[in-house]
Amino acid sequence: GAVVSQHPSRVICKSGTSVKIECRSLDFQATTMFWYRQFPKQSLMLMATSNEGSKATYEQGVEKDKFLINHASLTLSTLTVTSAHPEDSSFYICSARSAASGMGEQFFGPGTRLTVL
Amino acid sequence: QKEVEQNSGPLSVPEGAIASLNCTYSDRGSQSFFWYRQYSGKSPELIMSIYSNGDKEDGRFTAQLNKASQYVSLLIRDSQPSDSATYLCAVNIGNQGGKLIFGQGTELSVKP
Repeated sequence: GAVVSQHPSRVICKSGTSVKIECRSLDFQATTMFWYRQFPKQSLMLMATSNEGSKATYEQGVEKDKFLINHASLTLSTLTVTSAHPEDSSFYICSARSAASGMGEQFFGPGTRLTVL
Repeated sequence: QKEVEQNSGPLSVPEGAIASLNCTYSDRGSQSFFWYRQYSGKSPELIMSIYSNGDKEDGRFTAQLNKASQYVSLLIRDSQPSDSATYLCAVNIGNQGGKLIFGQGTELSVKP
C-alpha cells in the first residue's frame, strides 16, 4: 500500500518551454500533496503544499507564477514549470499524505529529473 | 538553531555492526517523527515512524524517541552494505498543515 507514482521520470526540454509533472496516489486518497525540489548533494526543499480543491500554499521564495500547482482530485496533483530555464534543472519529488493518516506520514513518488538545455 | 538537526556524516561502520543515527528537534510541540532512507539518485523511502516515547522495533531497525530530551534516533542492527544511503529525520510539528520538517540527512556507509 501507499504507492505514489510520478510521470515523467525524466524530461529534457529547451529553455523557455513549460513542463508538466504528474503525481498520483495509486492506492489511497491523498488530501494533501507536497512538492519538493532537490539539488545534487543537498537536502529536500519544500516548494509548496497542495490540498485537493484549493489553492496551493507556496514556501517563501518560490514563485507561484512559475511553478503552477493543480490538485484536481484526491489522487492527482500536477506541477507545471513554466518558461523553464537551466537553473530550474533539478530533481522534483512529490509526496502524498493519506486522508486516513492521523500522524502525518508522507509517501514519496520516485521523482522527476528535469534538465533544461 | 535549525528546527531538525542531524550530523551530516559520513558515518562509516563495518558490515554486521550497529549503526546509530541521531536527530534532535527544537519544537516541543512536535507530534510525530519519521525516518526516511534515500539512496543516491532516488527519492526518500519511509522506513520508520514513531509517536510515543520509547523504542519501536521493525526487523533490523529500532527507532527511539525521547520527547523530554527532544531526541530521536535510529539504530540499524547487523548493518549491510545495502544499508548505505542517506537517512533523513523528519518531524511533524503539528501546526503547519501537515508539513514535515526534514533534517539535512546523515550519510551512512557500510563497509564490507
